Parts: sequence; C-alpha cells; structure tokens
Amino acid sequence: AQKVTQAQTEISVVEKEDVTLDCVYETRDTTYYLFWYKQPPSGELVFLIRRNSFDEQNEISGRYSWNFQKSTSSFNFTITASQVVDSAVYFCALSDYQAGTALIFGKGTTLSVSS
Amino acid sequence: EPEVTQTPSHQVTQMGQEVILRCVPISNHLYFYWYRQILGQKVEFLVSFYNNEISEKSEIFDDQFSVERPDGSNFTLKIRSTKLEDSAMYFCATNEELNTEAFFGQGTRLTVV
Repeated sequence: AQKVTQAQTEISVVEKEDVTLDCVYETRDTTYYLFWYKQPPSGELVFLIRRNSFDEQNEISGRYSWNFQKSTSSFNFTITASQVVDSAVYFCALSDYQAGTALIFGKGTTLSVSS
Repeated sequence: EPEVTQTPSHQVTQMGQEVILRCVPISNHLYFYWYRQILGQKVEFLVSFYNNEISEKSEIFDDQFSVERPDGSNFTLKIRSTKLEDSAMYFCATNEELNTEAFFGQGTRLTVV
C-alpha cells in the first residue's frame, strides 16, 4: 500500500537558518509522482513542486530545493535562509497508479521561523 | 490566474442535517476531487470525479456522501446526515490532466454542532 511518512512533526528555526523537511514514501509502482504543498496559517494548500519517478534530478527554485533519492525512497525539501513567511505546515504527497489520481498525503511538518 | 472557488467558506450545521459544499473548478480542468482535513491532521482523499462519474473513492466516502456536477460548472459534495465527526475543512481540487499538479480551493470549514 502507498504511504508517505513525514517523521518531523514540528521544526523551529531562527530566521536565516537552513532547514530540511524529510519525506519518505512507500509504493510498489515504478511510475509515481511526488509533490510538496505548503499550508500557511490562512489554511489554503499551495502547490510547490511535482516530481515523477523517472526524474531524479534535484531541483532548485530560489531558496527552495528538493532532493529526490529513489534508493532511499525519499523526497526531502530544503529551505535556505529561512524567513518568517516560510512558517507553515508543509505536506509531502504521493500519487501512483494504485491510488489512481488521488494524492496520498503525509501528516505534515509544522515549520515555525522566528525573527 | 485561474483558481478553484469554494463556497461557503464556513458552514455551521446541526447534527443530522444535510449540507452541500460547492466548488467551481478551473474551466479546462477535467479531474475533480474532494479532500478533507480534520483540524490539525493530514489531508485525506475522499473522492475523485471524471467524465461525470466517480472514478475512485476512499473508505471515508460512505453512503452519507455523494458528489455531482449538476450544471456542468459547479461540483458539489453532499453530506446527507451530518455527524459531529464530519467537522473538518473540505477542499476541492482540480487537475487538467492525470497526475499533474492539483489546484486546491480555499476550503470550506464545516462545523457540526
């Protein structure tokens, strides 16, 4: 069965620190997709990134970077030089052919960035 | 930028009452979903809808729930007889194609009293 594990429930950092949010997934499919979503205090879900299982290239977008490693079934998310506005709950999610088109979410990591 | 619109933003209802949550998908999107998030917990899949029928549903989506797209624009989630444990944030999401990014609405906070 599919599963997404975000072992870090809460992380607190001070502004300008780098922080890595961990995501470990389980799937039997060889084709699958991984996502990160951000949920700020206002409650909406904001798409950050989508990765397919055939593309292991790391991605960088501004202060955000993602490390996808199939060997360890991990898709970790790093925020460089964190800012107070990064405070949010971050969800990792998986979609595979068993799940159909549905997203299977992890429990989320609450990131608090203080000034 | 196109967005998914949900109404109402907050609904309070008495236990046992029926509620209908509404969603207007992004116009060229073909795949529609409902998810729910109980306060402080993870986002859970309820149901997906494609080509005017349910394509998948989770075990949460029991006989009390139904979905439809009655007029080709609104996509609705009906809870026939609400229970206290139905209190949650309900998110509508839409995709243009399979396994692409899902665009989420702002959510409807349902409170059952």
